Amino acid sequence: AQSVAQPEDQVNVAEGNPLTVKCTYSVSGNPYLFWYVQYPNRGLQFLLKYITGDNLVKGSYGFEAEFNKSQTSFHLKKPSALVSDSALYFCAVRVDSNYQLIWGAGTKLIIKP
Amino acid sequence: SAVISQKPSRDICQRGTSLTIQCQVDSQVTMMFWYRQQPGQSLTLIATANQGSEATYESGFVIDKFPISRPNLTFSTLTVSNMSPEDSSIYLCSVENRVEETQYFGPGTRLLVL
Repeated sequence: AQSVAQPEDQVNVAEGNPLTVKCTYSVSGNPYLFWYVQYPNRGLQFLLKYITGDNLVKGSYGFEAEFNKSQTSFHLKKPSALVSDSALYFCAVRVDSNYQLIWGAGTKLIIKP
Repeated sequence: SAVISQKPSRDICQRGTSLTIQCQVDSQVTMMFWYRQQPGQSLTLIATANQGSEATYESGFVIDKFPISRPNLTFSTLTVSNMSPEDSSIYLCSVENRVEETQYFGPGTRLLVL
């Protein structure tokens, strides 16, 4: 079965420190990988994606993620966290031309001043 | 990207009634999706709505409970019928941008059923 795992329900980081939100996946076929962010009482906002090409992708708000095929991971990173980064982060994957997304459970990111 | 709006943004309804949620996109899109999300939890796909064809429902969701219309390439509605408190949730529509191969989401409709 195809799946996405976000092993941490919550990640706590001090402002100014680097942050990592983890995502691993299990699919058969070529993965298309996505990160979305959801601020309180808001819809989902697209952050970044990996489809092909450079394994390191850069997205909105200074976020980046690295596709690691051997580890089947797509961790979200940011060099210096801001309090305003506090939100719920979702990793999602789909396979090739199948448009349905498989979603992780979400990780709550808390950035403390 | 795409600009997506949903109406209403939130509502409080009585059990046994029905609510229709509208989703409007600022560009023509073939594929639209309807999701349900409990606050703080992940998304569950209700159905895929392509213009010109019947909606395709996921396991656990049926047309009688969640009828969907897709009259044109920029608009869709989801009706939550004969509501019960278990239907209290956030309902999200999304669209697939085929050029970018990315789904974009509306702001959501927060539904509370009493």
